[in-house]
Amino acid sequence: EVQLVQSGAEVKKPGESLKISCKGSGYSFTSYWIGWVRQMPGKGLEWMGIIYPGDSDTRYSPSFQGQVTISADKSISTAYLQWSSLKASDTAMYYCARRGIQGTDYWGQGTLVTVSS
Amino acid sequence: QSALTQPASVSGSPGQSITISCTGTSSDVGGYNYVSWYQQHPGKAPKLMIYDVSNRPSGVSNRFSGSKSGNTASLTISGLQAEDEADYYCSSYTSSSTLNYVFGTGTKVTVL
Repeated sequence: EVQLVQSGAEVKKPGESLKISCKGSGYSFTSYWIGWVRQMPGKGLEWMGIIYPGDSDTRYSPSFQGQVTISADKSISTAYLQWSSLKASDTAMYYCARRGIQGTDYWGQGTLVTVSS
Repeated sequence: QSALTQPASVSGSPGQSITISCTGTSSDVGGYNYVSWYQQHPGKAPKLMIYDVSNRPSGVSNRFSGSKSGNTASLTISGLQAEDEADYYCSSYTSSSTLNYVFGTGTKVTVL
């Protein structure tokens, strides 16, 4: 069974750093693109960036380029999304999702990030 | 890359059929047969309902169907049920983004 399991909710202060994770199982982790999707409170879905764990090819949406870093450790089938300096506007639910042959077919359960002073 | 355009809300009574539109351009919806639809219940992760315009993943009810005409894709839910009340997002392959995919603005479906 394909699963993407994300790390737990985080509460941070502005200016702090953060790295959240997404562990894949039940499939060949290195053979599928993994993406990160932001959903701000009460808003829609936005692609932030994607990574191909097989060769670490990484692409970012222009809106998120320079604001976050996406990485992956294929030895432990885990993708990461990190911030070096959080802002209140980063408060959102973040999903990882697998891009399969049949579209974005599997999603993590989401990680809620709250940034507040 | 701008989001694809969906109506903010659509409603219907149990048993009725409703259709949600998703309008893009020739660089996305109109240019490729890679339109997907996702259902999202409150507090839950999105779920793939339709891929490649009109294909249903295993386990998705045949009450859900997809189609496309020109730059507009559509999701039809027939025999509307209370459990169908959710947000729905379309997504399309696009040649206008380095990420190759763009979401729609989302539609809230209400079962009256």
